[in-house]
Amino acid sequence: DTEVTQTPKHLVMGMTNKKSLKCEQHMGHRAMYWYKQKAKKPPELMFVYSYEKLSINESVPSRFSPECPNSSLLNLHLHALQPEDSALYLCASRKPGDGLNYGYTFGSGTRLTVV
Amino acid sequence: AQSVTQPDIHITVSEGASLELRCNYSYGATPYLFWYVQSPGQGLQLLLKYFSGDTLVQGIKGFEAEFKRSQSSFNLRKPSVHWSDAAEYFCAVGGNYGQNFVFGPGTRLSVLP
Repeated sequence: DTEVTQTPKHLVMGMTNKKSLKCEQHMGHRAMYWYKQKAKKPPELMFVYSYEKLSINESVPSRFSPECPNSSLLNLHLHALQPEDSALYLCASRKPGDGLNYGYTFGSGTRLTVV
Repeated sequence: AQSVTQPDIHITVSEGASLELRCNYSYGATPYLFWYVQSPGQGLQLLLKYFSGDTLVQGIKGFEAEFKRSQSSFNLRKPSVHWSDAAEYFCAVGGNYGQNFVFGPGTRLSVLP
């Protein structure tokens, strides 16, 4: 299995809703990432988990709450979002410290619309 | 701090023509360089990567890239473009640790029939 699987592919939520995005990989990668991508822009790093511990939070608002319950799964919990949070949310994984195979594997993303 | 520039926001080529997408980077040490492609509404797919060794790197889908240290460039090339190559292309640079991974702004490629 060489994929990163993200669910759902599309999500529409109201500003008072609580929802979660899910990301799963079975490649043995121990670093997992959440990126946010607005239209016509490059992905922007949100969070980094390394060996299931949060190692980087790029000053993301608290209405986004990441969780890494095990080495294969990464969640992003959403609560009280704003319309400007509408974007493509990408999950990625890599094998930390493996210089010969350094590279991220990206999922297809979740297209989030906040109404 | 590291940075990546892609001078061309949008490029249009005819199907069958050759392609070169430019990428320039700024990095204080030996860079790890990548090219990713993103089709509309999709995630990013790795085309190729450079760590060391041969400066001409072969990737998937017939793409190649050449690392030129003296010019701080890592340009992507393809000898004959197919209509399915129309997409957004991102150059990226990183070091040994993931937190230094930086994307360029992207180049949108359109292909004329």
